[in-house]
Amino acid sequence: EVQLVESGGGLVHPGESLRLSCAGSGFTFGSNNMNWVRQAPGKGLEWISFIDRGSVTTYYADSVRGRFSISRDNTKNSLYLQMNSLGADDSGIYYCVRDPGYCSGDGCYFFDSWGQGVQVTVSS
Amino acid sequence: DIVMTQSPDSLAVSLGERAAIDCKSSQSLLYPSDSKNYLAWYQQKPGQSPKLLIYWASTRESGVPDRFSGSGSGTHFTLTISSLQPEDVAIYFCQQYYTIPLTFGQGTRLAIK
Repeated sequence: EVQLVESGGGLVHPGESLRLSCAGSGFTFGSNNMNWVRQAPGKGLEWISFIDRGSVTTYYADSVRGRFSISRDNTKNSLYLQMNSLGADDSGIYYCVRDPGYCSGDGCYFFDSWGQGVQVTVSS
Repeated sequence: DIVMTQSPDSLAVSLGERAAIDCKSSQSLLYPSDSKNYLAWYQQKPGQSPKLLIYWASTRESGVPDRFSGSGSGTHFTLTISSLQPEDVAIYFCQQYYTIPLTFGQGTRLAIK
């Protein structure tokens, strides 16, 4: 069974940093592109970042580019999100999500597995 | 960025009746080279993470009941639940994966009438 387990969330003050982690199991982690998607309280879904299988290609939403950095360690089956200069608008649940990996080309870019999410709260 | 707009924002349907949710994109999601529509649908039940229902606009994910179906092409898409069941109470989101940034609709809340 595919499992994605996020950790590292919490309450931080504006301007501070946080690093999220996601541990994958039940599949060959290095075979799938990975993403982070967030959901503000009571709001919809916002894709924020993508990383390919080999960490060669990364993409970011405009709202986080320059502040957030995605990375992965396939030897540890882990995905990371370094978040700097956090603001109130960054509060929400952060999901680690998997690209199915069976599409042709460089990926599917939709998401077949989601973690349970981790809460990030930015408040003074 | 491609803007995804769902309608209605909320919907109440009687058990056993049909429910339909629309999703419109600000530009076509039909990729000429493969004739596929780059659109997915997700279901998020209360207190849970989203779950993939449909991709390529009409392909059901493995394990999804066949009462769920997706249709449409270009800029207009529909998720249909043929006979609403109690466990279908959820928020439904569409997502385009035609281009980066990947974008979602605002969500449609489905309830039982």
